Amino acid sequence: DAKTTQPTSMDCAEGRAANLPCNHSTISGNEYVYWYRQIHSQGPQYIIHGLKNNETNEMASLIITEDRKSSTLILPHATLRDTAVYYCIVFAGTASKLTFGTGTRLQVTL
Amino acid sequence: GAVVSQHPSWVICKSGTSVKIECRSLDFQATTMFWYRQFPKQSLMLMATSNEGSKATYEQGVEKDKFLINHASLTLSTLTVTSAHPEDSSFYICSAGEAYEQYFGPGTRLTVT
Repeated sequence: DAKTTQPTSMDCAEGRAANLPCNHSTISGNEYVYWYRQIHSQGPQYIIHGLKNNETNEMASLIITEDRKSSTLILPHATLRDTAVYYCIVFAGTASKLTFGTGTRLQVTL
Repeated sequence: GAVVSQHPSWVICKSGTSVKIECRSLDFQATTMFWYRQFPKQSLMLMATSNEGSKATYEQGVEKDKFLINHASLTLSTLTVTSAHPEDSSFYICSAGEAYEQYFGPGTRLTVT
């Protein structure tokens, strides 16, 4: 699986948009970009995924650059409950292993 | 979305005993499940891939005789930590996939005293 790099930590004020970047310059053509988050002492929670088009769901938006070497997860209106570690992962499908990097620790503050 | 459960959610055992952790896919069938371990303030580390009807595949450095994995049905995989020691204390998480999504269990916190 392609390696990803993310900032170690970020802060965001409640109500503002949180933009979490991820670099995946060695991504292969059949690999998707996935985002998960892990709230303290819980299992990771799926957020969103995409191949090359931008995606949006009820939780977030995913912006993937045209060359697919980087992406940004956008939480449009961050709340305190969005405080978590966010993992950007690239992998090719169900039977493929997910390799977790260190992720970005997002702290949402009042 | 699909649901993956784990049991127990936490367990305390004495050094030298064995502990079994169950991972179930509740509303879908999973031929492949994954087991992860997470130490405090660290990321998830893949331990092994559990394959229904065949032997598990272990990551480098993971002792297959210590961490026994059984994937006896399409909805259940079990991880048994044999002869547990305090250094095995960790947060154990399983995941199962459906199509292009991986769903994670809530995790099992193991404390070995």
